[in-house]
Amino acid sequence: AQKITQTQPGMFVQEKEAVTLDCTYDTSDPSYGLFWYKQPSSGEMIFLIYQGSYDQQNATEGRYSLNFQKARKSANLVISASQLGDSAMYFCAMRLDSGYSTLTFGKGTMLLVSP
Amino acid sequence: GAVVSQHPSRVICKSGTSVKIECRSLDFQATTMFWYRQFPKKSLMLMATSNEGSKATYEQGVEKDKFLINHASLTLSTLTVTSAQPEDSSFYICSAARRDRANSPLHFGNGTRLTVT
Repeated sequence: AQKITQTQPGMFVQEKEAVTLDCTYDTSDPSYGLFWYKQPSSGEMIFLIYQGSYDQQNATEGRYSLNFQKARKSANLVISASQLGDSAMYFCAMRLDSGYSTLTFGKGTMLLVSP
Repeated sequence: GAVVSQHPSRVICKSGTSVKIECRSLDFQATTMFWYRQFPKKSLMLMATSNEGSKATYEQGVEKDKFLINHASLTLSTLTVTSAQPEDSSFYICSAARRDRANSPLHFGNGTRLTVT
């Protein structure tokens, strides 16, 4: 069974600073994808970034980058130049490549960005 | 980008009534749709996996007779909360997997906030 661990219930960062949200995972399957989603207070889930288990390079999408360390089974999200609108819950998730499986979510990290 | 529409976004109903929530993939075919439930400040808990044209697969502890799922077409899945009770009040959210891309992110609806009085 897959497991995602997010050890930070909440993080606090000042605007324009960078912040790292931690995520570790556990799976015995060699082929999987790692995802980060943002959930603002309105509830919708917003896809941020994807990293495949065989990808050689860390994924980047604008201000988001994923620090993928396969040997450590970690997939930390780095948000550069935080903005007030980044305040939200952030979920790390994993999905096996075999078939159209669902996502296994971590418990989430609440990020608060202050002016 | 891929869009999943979920309706209604909010619903308030009385105990004992049934509520239907629709999840539509607007610009892609979704062989598989997933239904989640989220309690306040908690992660999403998978309730069931809905496959087009077949019975849904429910996670352990989810009552299939209370949470009826129908996936009649490649673009529509519905979740019906039957005889809703106050403890069913929650945030329900669906997601859909693109049929043509096994590794694509799941696309989520905006969720439905159900309040049972």
